[in-house]
Amino acid sequence: LAKTTQPISMDSYEGQEVNITCSHNNIATNDYITWYQQFPSQGPRFIIQGYKTKVTNEVASLFIPADRKSSTLSLPRVSLSDTAVYYCLVGPMNTGFQKLVFGTGTRLLVSP
Amino acid sequence: DAGITQSPRYKITETGRQVTLMCHQTWSHSYMFWYRQDLGHGLRLIYYSAAADITDKGEVPDGYVVSRSKTENFPLTLESATRSQTSVYFCASGDSGRGANVLTFGAGSRLTVL
Repeated sequence: LAKTTQPISMDSYEGQEVNITCSHNNIATNDYITWYQQFPSQGPRFIIQGYKTKVTNEVASLFIPADRKSSTLSLPRVSLSDTAVYYCLVGPMNTGFQKLVFGTGTRLLVSP
Repeated sequence: DAGITQSPRYKITETGRQVTLMCHQTWSHSYMFWYRQDLGHGLRLIYYSAAADITDKGEVPDGYVVSRSKTENFPLTLESATRSQTSVYFCASGDSGRGANVLTFGAGSRLTVL
């Protein structure tokens, strides 16, 4: 599985856009990029997944450049409730689940 | 209720005792996982199961035993608990039909070993 590297922590203020970048230099051709969000005292929850270019849903956007060696999770106009840990995972699709590695994620703190 | 449930949510035990954490999912997902989460280590995979009666070790399997006699249940047993197994344990399930890396997690079981 491709190894991922994310910043350990980030700080932001309410109303700002937050971009969290994940590096995955060894991503394979059939790998997808998936992001999870974990609030304190809760299990992680899936927020977005993509393969290339841009994916957007009601929670976030995911930007993936042409070389796919990195990806950026974009959270528009964050609020205090977006304070959480965000995990980037890389793995193949359609081959069943792999031994997914979550790592330590990026701890986002949103302040008033 | 549909979903994935873990029990107990909180457990205090003593060193050397056997502890079983239960996990039940109502979606009939093929895959189920057990993770532990400790400060500074993030989520680490203990065991996973691809289907009933099929299990495999993850990153940190030592001291744990799992079974999967039914698709919906995936209990995790600490045969002789140690203080180093004090942690928050998360169960997860998923199905390749929804995407290979899309898991749904339970609320967690906080275990303290004295």
